[in-house]
Amino acid sequence: DIHMTQSPSSLSASVGDRVTITCQASQDIGKYLNWYQQKLGKAPKLLIYDASNSETGVPSRFSGRGSGTDFTFTISSPQPEDSATYYCQQYDNLPLTFGGGTKVEIK
Amino acid sequence: EVQLVQSGAEVKKPGESLRISCKSSGYRFTDYWISWVRQMPGKGLEWMGRIDPSDSYTTYSPSFQGHVIISADKSINTAYLQWNSLKASDTAMYYCARHCASSTCYIFDYWGQGTLVTVSS
Repeated sequence: DIHMTQSPSSLSASVGDRVTITCQASQDIGKYLNWYQQKLGKAPKLLIYDASNSETGVPSRFSGRGSGTDFTFTISSPQPEDSATYYCQQYDNLPLTFGGGTKVEIK
Repeated sequence: EVQLVQSGAEVKKPGESLRISCKSSGYRFTDYWISWVRQMPGKGLEWMGRIDPSDSYTTYSPSFQGHVIISADKSINTAYLQWNSLKASDTAMYYCARHCASSTCYIFDYWGQGTLVTVSS
């Protein structure tokens, strides 16, 4: 199985601060990497697919980049409503695997 | 509007059987695959397996193979997740999610609201 290591596991930031989350794959996954946002008590929501493509309707402050084994997810100017847990997910190989999640608090 | 609507919360005893459902609307059911994802209390996301509703072909994660059954009824646009003998460790939230019908496209663009399964004696 491909192991996805996300860091940090949690962070706190102020409104307008830049937030960056990293996701490292245990082997080369090309660009087969997605990012999801999960708010408390809700289903996950797709934000970024194929490492850097924004899903329709997702605010432009969310972005992703990377390829191979190293990926980053950025919230350029986070808002209070961005408080959530964020997950990366690889789909280069089955079984699909997710990172452990990053809990983000925006104050 | 695309929607995946899951069946309601369940409380079961160990050893009992259970089937939960995920009803799709707003798109052609057979044009997309459905996956099931587990989230144990306070934990992360785990992919369990997927089904192609057009022919009911399934692929399972090795972690779940043999313990759950994924099925679909294309006549009513519904996918299912089934257990024949529940364990306490099956207590979790279960999500269905849609993705495009290709082995190179596991991008979950729509999700169900989740079904909470509680297994307790």
